[in-house]
Amino acid sequence: SQTIHQWPATLVQPVGSPLSLECTVEGTSNPNLYWYRQAAGRGLQLLFYSVGIGQISSEVPQNLSASRPQDRQFILSSKKLLLSDSGFYLCAWSVVSSNQPQHFGDGTRLSIL
Amino acid sequence: AQTVTQSQPEMSVQEAETVTLSCTYDTSESDYYLFWYKQPPSRQMILVIRQEAYKQQNATENRFSVNFQKAAKSFSLKISDSQLGDAAMYFCAYRSANSGYALNFGKGTSLLVTP
Repeated sequence: SQTIHQWPATLVQPVGSPLSLECTVEGTSNPNLYWYRQAAGRGLQLLFYSVGIGQISSEVPQNLSASRPQDRQFILSSKKLLLSDSGFYLCAWSVVSSNQPQHFGDGTRLSIL
Repeated sequence: AQTVTQSQPEMSVQEAETVTLSCTYDTSESDYYLFWYKQPPSRQMILVIRQEAYKQQNATENRFSVNFQKAAKSFSLKISDSQLGDAAMYFCAYRSANSGYALNFGKGTSLLVTP
């Protein structure tokens, strides 16, 4: 069966520090991968998606970036965090067929001080 | 871009009763998919039910069912025989072939279940 792992679960970082969140999927090949952010009390906003190794599409201009160095690995990064980067970050995967649901990781709660 | 609207920020239902959560969406596409996800306090995103736009029959999963009105662009979720474990945020989501089949989410409805 397929599983998705996301870490760390919780992170507290000072303003201006770098960020690296990692997500890996097991049990499937060539998945579509996604990063979402959920601000407090709000819905999920798509940040990045990837349909293959090295292929990254950005939905929202910001100081975050994403990379997909391997087929089932998706990384969210920042060189300098802002206060506004605080939130709950979720990684998700799906097969290419659009009728298949997305499966989510357990999320990372990021607090910027 | 497609937009998803959930007009009920909060809803309350008594245990064993039925509740309906509303969702409307805006799109010019004819082929798309709709989902309801549940997010309990643990913040995990759990798929509740899905509906293909080309299917006229409403989807059902045990106590959960949808009322899909394609012409009205409405996709409501009905929870029957509500249980305490149903208490959570519920998100309606739209999926098309755009953006790598990513999901567009509504802002969510917080469901409270009272004994």
